[in-house]
Amino acid sequence: QKEVEQDPGPLSVPEGAIVSLNCTYSNSAFQYFMWYRQYSRKGPELLMYTYSSGNKEDGRFTAQVDKSSKYISLFIRDSQPSDSATYLCAMSAINRGYQKVTFGTGTKLQVIP
Amino acid sequence: NAGVTQTPKFQVLKTGQSMTLQCAQDMNHNSMYWYRQDPGMGLRLIYYSASEGTTDKGEVPNGYNVSRLNKREFSLRLESAAPSQTSVYFCASSTLAGAHEQFFGPGTRLTVL
Repeated sequence: QKEVEQDPGPLSVPEGAIVSLNCTYSNSAFQYFMWYRQYSRKGPELLMYTYSSGNKEDGRFTAQVDKSSKYISLFIRDSQPSDSATYLCAMSAINRGYQKVTFGTGTKLQVIP
Repeated sequence: NAGVTQTPKFQVLKTGQSMTLQCAQDMNHNSMYWYRQDPGMGLRLIYYSASEGTTDKGEVPNGYNVSRLNKREFSLRLESAAPSQTSVYFCASSTLAGAHEQFFGPGTRLTVL
């Protein structure tokens, strides 16, 4: 079983829709929970991160962490064609004094105008 | 302020050839990383350097070597390339305690024939 599971999609939605992207994980030691966005043929860029449980909002993006269910989500409100990208979840835990980051495989999102 | 730069952008090698991928960052980050990204596998850590003068193996180090040349530069060497090393390679950097906020380069697309 992978430490981090992410549905690869692709997910196709109409412009303006609310998008929900999710990851599950098995390692209860994870402390930081991140979402990266990767446009085609580009490097990933950090969208947002949360520490421990709870919600975090940044504009149209909301990240949620439910540590009891080992489940994290990214919600995108009023989705735009420019949101079309692959979204990678990532999580980190301290391992031998080092913050080890584990990435999900990514969900490809297409927002149709 | 270029962030993280990688050279070359593309490379085709024959089996058994060697090459070095170069990475540099101008953000004064202590930590640097090399990942490979394959379809369905997500980002996998090859090697990392927590700080200048140190390097450690990641999840998939076999067939690779690294050099942390100075604080800015971190190179990845393939001594004898194999078709299984066909991938997209990303370099990233972060602050020492900030592995959850990694900044990625644009990637190198490597094909080994």
